[in-house]
Amino acid sequence: GQQLNQSPQSMFIQEGEDVSMNCTSSSIFNTWLWYKQDPGEGPVLLIALYKAGELTSNGRLTAQFGITRKDSFLNISASIPSDVGIYFCAGQSGNFNKFYFGSGTKLNVKP
Amino acid sequence: GAGVSQSPSNKVTEKGKDVELRCDPISGHTALYWYRQRLGQGLEFLIYFQGNSAPDKSGLPSDRFSAERTGESVSTLTIQRTQQEDSAVYLCASSKTSGASLETQYFGPGTRLLVL
Repeated sequence: GQQLNQSPQSMFIQEGEDVSMNCTSSSIFNTWLWYKQDPGEGPVLLIALYKAGELTSNGRLTAQFGITRKDSFLNISASIPSDVGIYFCAGQSGNFNKFYFGSGTKLNVKP
Repeated sequence: GAGVSQSPSNKVTEKGKDVELRCDPISGHTALYWYRQRLGQGLEFLIYFQGNSAPDKSGLPSDRFSAERTGESVSTLTIQRTQQEDSAVYLCASSKTSGASLETQYFGPGTRLLVL
């Protein structure tokens, strides 16, 4: 199946710092999604990107759909303790039914 | 309004036993997905239902796994003769529709399965 490489695997940052994480794929995707998962919960959609080059913000979060359609990044500015969790990228290509998920970036924020 | 619910929230079973996991999607959502999430890993697509169409079973890892959905309501994921490698969180998601456009998937809290 499709492989999504998500990095970094984990991050330890100080409150107030900015954070950046990214996903790359060997295949072209039509859509990129970014989710956050809190412990014991299902993932919650943060940002959806539908066009190559698209840059979308949601509060302190900004994500971009790479021009090559093979990558995406997520930035979090001025991190706060409640940003702690696991962030997943997901890509969709061709078959609208199927989504491929990265392995996640675990974010830890020190107050 | 009510979100996606799953039951049980936790299940411990012995190797070789069958288990049945349940998902109640959001009312009115025609599409339903099952995913498996192993510890520390991303989500692995298992199966997809859309209305009365034939389900996309391409992600099911073996013939021990099966799923059913009646109409646009509850779905059950059954794992027969469980193995220790089946231990994972099984997540269900639903969305309004699918096909020509992407709709947001809403996830349930998952069922944590431990096979001893």
